[in-house]
Amino acid sequence: QVQLQQWGAGLLKPSETLSLTCSVYGGSFSGYYWTWIRQPPGKGLEWIGGINHFGSTNYNPSLKSRVTISLDTSKNQFSLKLNSVTAADTAVYYCARGLKWNYPRFDPWGQGTLVTVS
Amino acid sequence: QSVLTQPPSASGTPGQRVTVSCSGSSSNIGNNYVYWYQQLPGTAPKLLIDRNNQRPSGVPDRFSGSKSGTSASLAISGLRSEDEADYHCVAWDDSLGGVVFGGGTKLTVL
Repeated sequence: QVQLQQWGAGLLKPSETLSLTCSVYGGSFSGYYWTWIRQPPGKGLEWIGGINHFGSTNYNPSLKSRVTISLDTSKNQFSLKLNSVTAADTAVYYCARGLKWNYPRFDPWGQGTLVTVS
Repeated sequence: QSVLTQPPSASGTPGQRVTVSCSGSSSNIGNNYVYWYQQLPGTAPKLLIDRNNQRPSGVPDRFSGSKSGTSASLAISGLRSEDEADYHCVAWDDSLGGVVFGGGTKLTVL
């Protein structure tokens, strides 16, 4: 059974770079679309973007200028970098496995990482 | 302001049937699959309905999804206390070129 485990810094200052990594255990890395999603406290979910195993990316237009998603196939890991963070970027960040770039079928999800910008 | 519109809250008593609506447009729900996620308090979302109305393995048949035009609905029959959660609808949006979510509906079991 595929499991995703994520980690990264939980407290950042404004203007710093958010950096999170997600490891994929128990399943194939290829053939899927590896995705990042966030949820501000008390609010709904927001898609950040994703990457396939070829390294082709797709980003939320509202975040595109600040986001980079990359992958390391040798380690079955993918990562998120969001630069120039502000308080508005405070959220729980989730990694998830997607089916295709335009099919938002996300399963499974990582456990979530609370990132606070203050 | 979410692209897909959901009621912020819904409620029902044990055994009742409740529905959660999700309204969009021709560029998202009208032309693409809708997915539903259940988020229990303090946990990550879980896939509940796949491709408008398909239940993944392990999801009880009390949960059902439907789509008509630019709107979708999630129905929960035989409501149980453990169904108390946030429910999110999501679809691909052709115009925006990205994934769009509803704002989420908090379901309370009275």
